[in-house]
Amino acid sequence: EAAVTQSPRNKVAVTGGKVTLSCNQTNNHNNMYWYRQDTGHGLRLIHYSYGAGSTEKGDIPDGYKASRPSQENFSLILELATPSQTSVYFCASGDLNSDYTFGSGTRLLVI
Amino acid sequence: QQQVRQSPQSLTVWEGGTTVLTCSYEDSTFNYFPWYQQFPGEGPALLISILSVSDKKEDGRFTTFFNKREKKLSLHIIDSQPGDSATYFCAATPSNTNKVVFGTGTRLQVLP
Repeated sequence: EAAVTQSPRNKVAVTGGKVTLSCNQTNNHNNMYWYRQDTGHGLRLIHYSYGAGSTEKGDIPDGYKASRPSQENFSLILELATPSQTSVYFCASGDLNSDYTFGSGTRLLVI
Repeated sequence: QQQVRQSPQSLTVWEGGTTVLTCSYEDSTFNYFPWYQQFPGEGPALLISILSVSDKKEDGRFTTFFNKREKKLSLHIIDSQPGDSATYFCAATPSNTNKVVFGTGTRLQVLP
């Protein structure tokens, strides 16, 4: 069954540390997306990718980097984590003629 | 401007009642409008969707309405059930991309 899998499910990081959130999709979709979800803000787009080797800035990219080494994998990197990046992060995949499939999310706490 | 406004932010209804969620937008290039349902601890999942060439789409107890002239859409849930308690996101997609613009979500609670 096609799916989007995120890891880890939960993460506690220290301020100033490096955090990598991973996402794997078996949908064979070209496009992948990283969102964060916060109360009152809904889903905000951080970075997205049109395929292996490509990354694009979304609406709130500051403090985040992304990496798309293959069709299946898309990572979100916080080089210097800050408490304001405490949030729930969702990865999604999709294509021009298909709806988004979301992962189950990563709950990140930066202390 | 690519923005989708959604209301209300939260809503409580009694079991058996009708739930109505609304969204509005300004960008005329939007032509596809999905609604996503998200249960606690899970990612959003597609619930129902409508193309701009239609004004109504029904799927069981869920119906979405689209008004192109007013640039508004709505989701109606009849006979609301406690199992419908979730956050609902309306969304919009321009005709030439897959990049979805999400509303801010409505947190629905259905009380037994």
